[in-house]
Amino acid sequence: AQKVTQAQTEISVVEKEDVTLDCVYETRDTTYYLFWYKQPPSGELVFLIRRNSFDEQNEISGRYSWNFQKSTSSFNFTITASQVVDSAVYFCALSEETSGSRLTFGEGTQLTVNP
Amino acid sequence: KAGVTQTPRYLIKTRGQQVTLSCSPISGHRSVSWYQQTPGQGLQFLFEYFSETQRNKGNFPGRFSGRQFSNSRSEMNVSTLELGDSALYLCASSFGGSVAKNIQYFGAGTRLSVL
Repeated sequence: AQKVTQAQTEISVVEKEDVTLDCVYETRDTTYYLFWYKQPPSGELVFLIRRNSFDEQNEISGRYSWNFQKSTSSFNFTITASQVVDSAVYFCALSEETSGSRLTFGEGTQLTVNP
Repeated sequence: KAGVTQTPRYLIKTRGQQVTLSCSPISGHRSVSWYQQTPGQGLQFLFEYFSETQRNKGNFPGRFSGRQFSNSRSEMNVSTLELGDSALYLCASSFGGSVAKNIQYFGAGTRLSVL
C-alpha cells in the first residue's frame, strides 16, 4: 500500500536561512506522481510542484528547489533564503497510476520562519 | 479565474444531526474530490466524482456520501454526525477523471464542529 512519511513535524528557522523539508514515500506502482502542497493558516492547500516517477531531473524555481531520488524513495523540498511568508504547513503527497487521482498525504511539516 | 469555492466556511452541528457541504470547482474542471483533515488522522481521501459518477472512494463509513451535478458542482453529506466527524473538509477540483497525474486545486475548506 502507498505511504508518505514526513519525519519532521516542526521546523523553525530564522529569515534568510535555507531549509529542507524531507519526504519519503512507499509505493508498488512503477508509475506514480509526487506533489508538494503548502497550507497557510487560511486552510487552503496551495499546489507547488508535481513530479512523475520517470523524471528524476531536479528543478529550481525561484527560491524553491526539489530533489527527487528514486533509489532512496525520497522527494525533498528546499526553500532558499526563507521569508516570513513561507511560514505554513507543507505536505508531500503521492498518487499512483492504479489508484487514480487519489492523493495520499504525509503528516505535514510545520515551518515557522522567524524575523 | 475563480478558484475552488466551498460553502459554508464554518459549521456547528450537534451529534446525530446531518450536514451538507458544497463545493464549486474551477470553471472547466470536471473532477471533484473530497478530503477530511483532522489533527489525529491528517489528510484522508473521502471520494472523487467525475461527470456525476463516483469514480473513487476512500475508507469511510456509509454515513459519508456525495454527489455531483451536471455543472460539476458537488455536495458532500454526512448523516448521524459523531464527535469524531469534527474536521476541516477540503474539496479539490481537476480537469480530467480519475487520473494519477491530475493536479488537484483545493478550496479553503469547511470547518465542521460537532458538539
